[in-house]
Amino acid sequence: AQRVTQPEKLLSVFKGAPVELKCNYSYSGSPELFWYVQYSRQRLQLLLRHISRESIKGFTADLNKGETSFHLKKPFAQEEDSAMYYCALSKGSQGNLIFGKGTKLSVKP
Amino acid sequence: GAGVSQSPSNKVTEKGKDVELRCDPISGHTALYWYRQSLGQGLEFLIYFQGNSAPDKSGLPSDRFSAERTGGSVSTLTIQRTQQEDSAVYLCASRGRAILPGANVLTFGAGSRLTVL
Repeated sequence: AQRVTQPEKLLSVFKGAPVELKCNYSYSGSPELFWYVQYSRQRLQLLLRHISRESIKGFTADLNKGETSFHLKKPFAQEEDSAMYYCALSKGSQGNLIFGKGTKLSVKP
Repeated sequence: GAGVSQSPSNKVTEKGKDVELRCDPISGHTALYWYRQSLGQGLEFLIYFQGNSAPDKSGLPSDRFSAERTGGSVSTLTIQRTQQEDSAVYLCASRGRAILPGANVLTFGAGSRLTVL
């Protein structure tokens, strides 16, 4: 069965510090992985997807099939990065999207 | 509409009552998802509709939960005989036709917050 694990419920860092939000998955096929973000009082929205190899708002994430991980990283955290972050896995371009339990990132001034 | 609309935005009900939550997806979107968001549980998948295919109901927590999607557009999530543990934010999301890898990107509604007293 497909599963997404985000081991940290809360991650607190100071502004300017590096941040890494962990995501591990279990899936026997070729997964498609995503990071979604929910800022305070806003809707859940896509942050980035592994297929695009993009950097959004300074965040990057690399799919490591050997470690079955898709950790989200940013070298210098900003206060506006404070939000709830969800890692998600999809079986192919269609079908169900399974989310992890989320990590709340708090960036202190 | 421009986005995914959900109603009501807030619903307070008494234990044992039935509730209906509505979702209007983006026009033309073929896929529609329901999730439940609660503290400590993150986003729990409930049900997924894709075009005319049979829905994936594997996430529904009990037979008190059901959902319909009429005419391939509006969806209604029904919870019968509500319990206090049903209190959560119910999120709806839709997606257009996804063919290419990485295209399974969802647009979420603002959610319906359900409180069962």
